[in-house]
Amino acid sequence: GAVVSQHPSRVICKSGTSVKIECRSLDFQATTMFWYRQFPKQSLMLMATSNEGSKATYEQGVEKDKFLINHASLTLSTLTVTSAHPEDSSFYICSARQGAYYGYTFGSGTRLTVV
Amino acid sequence: GESVGLHLPTLSVQEGDNSIINCAYSNSASDYFIWYKQESGKGPQFIIDIRSNMDKRQGQRVTVLLNKTVKHLSLQIAATQPGDSAVYFCAEIYTGTASKLTFGTGTRLQVTL
Repeated sequence: GAVVSQHPSRVICKSGTSVKIECRSLDFQATTMFWYRQFPKQSLMLMATSNEGSKATYEQGVEKDKFLINHASLTLSTLTVTSAHPEDSSFYICSARQGAYYGYTFGSGTRLTVV
Repeated sequence: GESVGLHLPTLSVQEGDNSIINCAYSNSASDYFIWYKQESGKGPQFIIDIRSNMDKRQGQRVTVLLNKTVKHLSLQIAATQPGDSAVYFCAEIYTGTASKLTFGTGTRLQVTL
């Protein structure tokens, strides 16, 4: 079956630094990848949609200069949290779609803690 | 019984009983629905899906019911097992919004022995 690998699974960074999260589709080509953020005891909130080779589309209220998304190939998308602050601490999850409308596969998530 | 926590409602069931998890979705034009299971510290895992032109779909130990009239989905888990303990989310897709997944609030299922 389709597998999406997300790395790192946990990261702790200092306030003001940047951190990069990678999302890879291991056995399929993902024309579209999605990035979600999840706070404790809450649902997944879509941050942005990225299509290979084009700029990401951000949801309302998500700062595109703070959350940089790059989707340079059909198997890799990255999310960079720039100038991280403690309020950015959250669980970040990526999802990849296999071209069809409904074939979504999720990564295992990244727990970001900003201290 | 069912209780509402800080943000996530919780459903407690005894092992072996059937579980019913409910979800109200928001967009009457949504054309596809998915149930996901999320264990602590992990990403969502696909359970079962249903298209809007159906009202029931069965899988292994799971059944999804769709009532478009009241915009309601339910997930039924037969003979609930301890391994079913997790948070369950429904998600809806409307192809008019580039097929983005919109997640519901979620329900925590606790299976007691």
